[in-house]
Amino acid sequence: AQKVTQAQTEISVVEKEDVTLDCVYETRDTTYYLFWYKQPPSGELVFLIRRNSFDEQNEISGRYSWNFQKSTSSFNFTITASQVVDSAVYFCALSEVINDMRFGAGTRLTVKP
Amino acid sequence: GAGVSQSPSNKVTEKGKDVELRCDPISGHTALYWYRQSLGQGLEFLIYFQGNSAPDKSGLPSDRFSAERTGGSVSTLTIQRTQQEDSAVYLCASSSLGVWGEETQYFGPGTRLLVL
Repeated sequence: AQKVTQAQTEISVVEKEDVTLDCVYETRDTTYYLFWYKQPPSGELVFLIRRNSFDEQNEISGRYSWNFQKSTSSFNFTITASQVVDSAVYFCALSEVINDMRFGAGTRLTVKP
Repeated sequence: GAGVSQSPSNKVTEKGKDVELRCDPISGHTALYWYRQSLGQGLEFLIYFQGNSAPDKSGLPSDRFSAERTGGSVSTLTIQRTQQEDSAVYLCASSSLGVWGEETQYFGPGTRLLVL
C-alpha cells in the first residue's frame, strides 16, 4: 500500500511566486515521523524538516513553512517568494517504526527566472 | 571532507556480475542507512545499521543483496549476479545516534549503478 503520496509530479512556477507541495500519508500508528528532503540537481539529499506525530504545530523557517494536519493526514510544504535555487526534487517521507522509512515519489519543482 | 562519502560515484557493469558499493559515514556517527533511488520509483529504504548490531535486512529487495558494516564504520553493499532492474542510484546516509526518526540523516552523493 502506498504510504506516502505526492500527487504533484512536476510543478513549474515563476520566481517570487509562492508554491505549495502536497504530501498525504497513510498510517495506522499513533507514533510516527514525517520528513521533507530536497534533492537539488547535484543529487545529494538535503534534510529540511522532521516532525513527530504528537506535534501538529506548524513551522516556519525563512521562506519555508510546513502545515501538518493529522485530520487530513497531510504534511504540506510551502515555499514563499520562490527562487531559482529552489529548483529541485522534493521528497516527503514517513517513518512508522524503526528500520523503516517510506518516501513519496517526489515532486520536481522548477522555478523560472 | 566531513560528509558522507561513497565510492565509486559511477559504476557500469554487465548483467550477472557482482558489484560492491562502499559508504564512509561521518566520523562518529553510529547509524548508517542504505537507500535506492530508481528511475520512476522514488526512494526505497534498504537496510539500517546501528553500531555493531545485526541489521534488519527485511528491506533488501532480494537475496542477491547483502550489506556489511565493519568496525561500526565503513559499510559495503554487495549486489550479486546483477540484473538490469538493479540499475539505480544507491544512497548512503548516517546519523549520530541512530535514534530513528528523531535526528537528521546526512546523505552521501550516491553511487550511480548501470547494469547493461
